Amino acid sequence: GQNIDQPTEMTATEGAIVQINCTYQTSGFNGLFWYQQHAGEAPTFLSYNVLDGLEEKGRFSSFLSRSKGYSYLLLKELQMKDSASYLCAVRAPGAGSYQLTFGKGTKLSVIP
Amino acid sequence: ETGVTQSPTHLIKTRGQQVTLRCSSQSGHNTVSWYQQALGQGPQFIFQYYREEENGRGNFPPRFSGLQFPNYSSELNVNALELDDSALYLCASSFWGESYEQYFGPGTRLTVT
Repeated sequence: GQNIDQPTEMTATEGAIVQINCTYQTSGFNGLFWYQQHAGEAPTFLSYNVLDGLEEKGRFSSFLSRSKGYSYLLLKELQMKDSASYLCAVRAPGAGSYQLTFGKGTKLSVIP
Repeated sequence: ETGVTQSPTHLIKTRGQQVTLRCSSQSGHNTVSWYQQALGQGPQFIFQYYREEENGRGNFPPRFSGLQFPNYSSELNVNALELDDSALYLCASSFWGESYEQYFGPGTRLTVT
């Protein structure tokens, strides 16, 4: 079966750092994605991890531990525009497969 | 480089009717995936098309079907609509095997009454 868990909601202050956790139990693994989704809009790509470790991209970093089935997304220097849902998704194995299993998303509210 | 586009933006249908949603993939992309996103949930994978054939399917009944055309655009067809089919339908395009990235379109909001 496929199970991806992430907190439903989080609140953080402008300028602060927030960490959004994601745990997964899936029948196959070929990488983990983080997407940002503003209300009523399409998900936009943030990061992709296929090997253990930390990937940094500007204010956003993502970490993966395959042995623990765990990932987190770290957002630094929070801005009001970062208020959105953050989706964790696992990619199914198989050459050319773009099948993603998504968690329910974490709604982040950034307050002044 | 044009992004992924979908039409229509919004649609209202009655239970039992049929609906067709359309997607144009990003320039240079040859693979299209469709997702259903219910309110407050993450997207759920419906199926993927490559070279005009379905090559991956999620847990959706046969009344969800699709097509991919030679220009890589795609359609999602849903027959015998049910109230629970009300959702945002997202299309995502990618280039088979070359990159892990897939780009989502803005979605079609379907309401079934």
